[in-house]
Amino acid sequence: AQSVTQLGSHVSVSEGALVLLRCNYSSSVPPYLFWYVQYPNQGLQLLLKYTTGATLVKGINGFEAEFKKSETSFHLTKPSAHMSDAAEYFCAVRAGGGSNYKLTFGKGTLLTVNP
Amino acid sequence: DADVTQTPRNRITKTGKRIMLECSQTKGHDRMYWYRQDPGLGLQLIYYSFDVKDINKGEISDGYSVSRQAQAKFSLSLESAIPNQTALYFCATSDSRTGGSILAFFGQGTRLTVV
Repeated sequence: AQSVTQLGSHVSVSEGALVLLRCNYSSSVPPYLFWYVQYPNQGLQLLLKYTTGATLVKGINGFEAEFKKSETSFHLTKPSAHMSDAAEYFCAVRAGGGSNYKLTFGKGTLLTVNP
Repeated sequence: DADVTQTPRNRITKTGKRIMLECSQTKGHDRMYWYRQDPGLGLQLIYYSFDVKDINKGEISDGYSVSRQAQAKFSLSLESAIPNQTALYFCATSDSRTGGSILAFFGQGTRLTVV
């Protein structure tokens, strides 16, 4: 079984401040991990992914995330928030590779950026 | 043109009515998915299709059916709509040749209200 917990359904930061969105997962096998972003009235867009290899992954729009196996975490960060980052962010996990597909999504974190 | 097009974008229907949501894609991806999004619950998988002849139930398939008319088209039907099917519905695609579990493209969503 696999699951995802996103800590904080709503995070508010000031423009220029650090963005930290938390994601913890559980998986019985080595996971693949993803972050998606959803802008208002849009579908989800892939921000970044971790499958194997380097544990620090960089995505679009200056976001990055670090896979920490010991902490079962995959937190999303951005050094300096921009107004355009305001959106909802979803963490997702898949139990490893192979032909079976199942992505489990977290409940989402709404990011507000204040001027 | 959008890579993944969903029609209609908004729909209000009455309890007991049959309704079909349509999805078409121009990416040539072999895999297509239907998700439901409810506020605070993230995305839940309804059905997925790995090719025209391969359709599978997701986490919450009860009350829904699907049809994969062609590689590019994947429709979701509610045979007898009920109010708790009021939600935002997303179609998504992925390509088994380039990482099948990564949902590459999402439609803009269909907001369905059952009254």
